[in-house]
Amino acid sequence: KAGVTQTPRYLIKTRGQQVTLSCSPISGHRSVSWYQQTPGQGLQFLFEYFSETQRNKGNFPGRFSGRQFSNSRSEMNVSTLELGDSALYLCASSLHHDNRNSPLHFGNGTRLTVT
Amino acid sequence: GENVEQHPSTLSVQEGDSAVIKCTYSDSASNYFPWYKQELGKGPQLIIDIRSNVGEKKDQRIAVTLNKTAKHFSLHITETQPEDSAVYFCAAASYKLIFGSGTRLLVRP
Repeated sequence: KAGVTQTPRYLIKTRGQQVTLSCSPISGHRSVSWYQQTPGQGLQFLFEYFSETQRNKGNFPGRFSGRQFSNSRSEMNVSTLELGDSALYLCASSLHHDNRNSPLHFGNGTRLTVT
Repeated sequence: GENVEQHPSTLSVQEGDSAVIKCTYSDSASNYFPWYKQELGKGPQLIIDIRSNVGEKKDQRIAVTLNKTAKHFSLHITETQPEDSAVYFCAAASYKLIFGSGTRLLVRP
């Protein structure tokens, strides 16, 4: 079974621009979660989608948004990029939306650099 | 809010020795505790997990223990090998996973 696929692997953007990251979950997985990983803040939860609906949201500004399509693929968008948005963005999929009963499986991430 | 504290932040051991990483969680509703290993350039990979109705779980050289009363859980790696070198994250789940800050493990040959 193919794992979680994230594209692109690397992105360089300029302050003020916007960016869209893509995630294809493991086949059959209906929940997709997004995390931001930075050296200073560690792994921080952005949001989770299940059946095309946002189920949970972390403490990030409205510049961070996402969506999920009917085939469970997900995209996240960051608008008006700031230098502090430079990070590794990780997508994780699971069978169900309750993480207590359905382990998360991560992709290898998209490394975003904002200059 | 929910919080998971992880110690130590770095750990260096000689090949063949044991390594122990400890975590403490704050949300008493948490009942699922996975551990992830992250190698350079890769995403975190699930290596073992434990649920709150179990006190200990082993998988070859890896074991995890849970003390629900104290809200502590630990990862034990025995007979460490250089390929165990990575960053390890603990996590606790109520309605979402909360991760610890990570432990960088270095196994010296």
